[in-house]
Amino acid sequence: EAQVTQNPRYLITVTGKKLTVTCSQNMNHEYMSWYRQDPGLGLRQIYYSMNVEVTDKGDVPEGYKVSRKEKRNFPLILESPSPNQTSLYFCASSYSRGATEAFFGQGTRLTVV
Amino acid sequence: GENVEQHPSTLSVQEGDSAVIKCTYSDSASNYFPWYKQELGKGPQLIIDIRSNVGEKKDQRIAVTLNKTAKHFSLHITETQPEDSAVYFCAARSDYKLSFGAGTTVTVRA
Repeated sequence: EAQVTQNPRYLITVTGKKLTVTCSQNMNHEYMSWYRQDPGLGLRQIYYSMNVEVTDKGDVPEGYKVSRKEKRNFPLILESPSPNQTSLYFCASSYSRGATEAFFGQGTRLTVV
Repeated sequence: GENVEQHPSTLSVQEGDSAVIKCTYSDSASNYFPWYKQELGKGPQLIIDIRSNVGEKKDQRIAVTLNKTAKHFSLHITETQPEDSAVYFCAARSDYKLSFGAGTTVTVRA
């Protein structure tokens, strides 16, 4: 089954404690991205990757890092989480940057206290 | 950059009635307009899309219209059913970048 898998689904952490949210896709997609979803703001892109070892900033990259060492994986790293990073996070993938359909993971609900 | 505005933010309809969600965009270079449905506890899923060279597209009970001159596009759901209850997002793509609206929470009353 074609899917984008995120882990964990729920995470509560404390300010400053480094964390990683994993994302994996099994569709051999080149393009992957991370979004955060906040009430009244919709989905905002954090980072994206057009292929292995190629990443770039989206609209709200501050406080986040990503890496793309393998085509299927695109982890999101919060080196020093802060309460304003409390949000619902989605990983998405598509065949290419210009492809019409993006496949989303089920989301990771992050709370930073 | 692109700015997408979506209205209304919440919409309650009686089962069987129609629902309409409207979006406006700012960048005249945007050429692709998808609509995503997000059910509770799930990620957004593409339900219909339209390209800039088309004015209207229909898929069973859902349809999308695009007015490039006015820079707005709309989602129409006819004969609404309880399973249509969800959050709907519009988006516009300019220079390969997708910008999303804030979302509309649709509730279908039985």
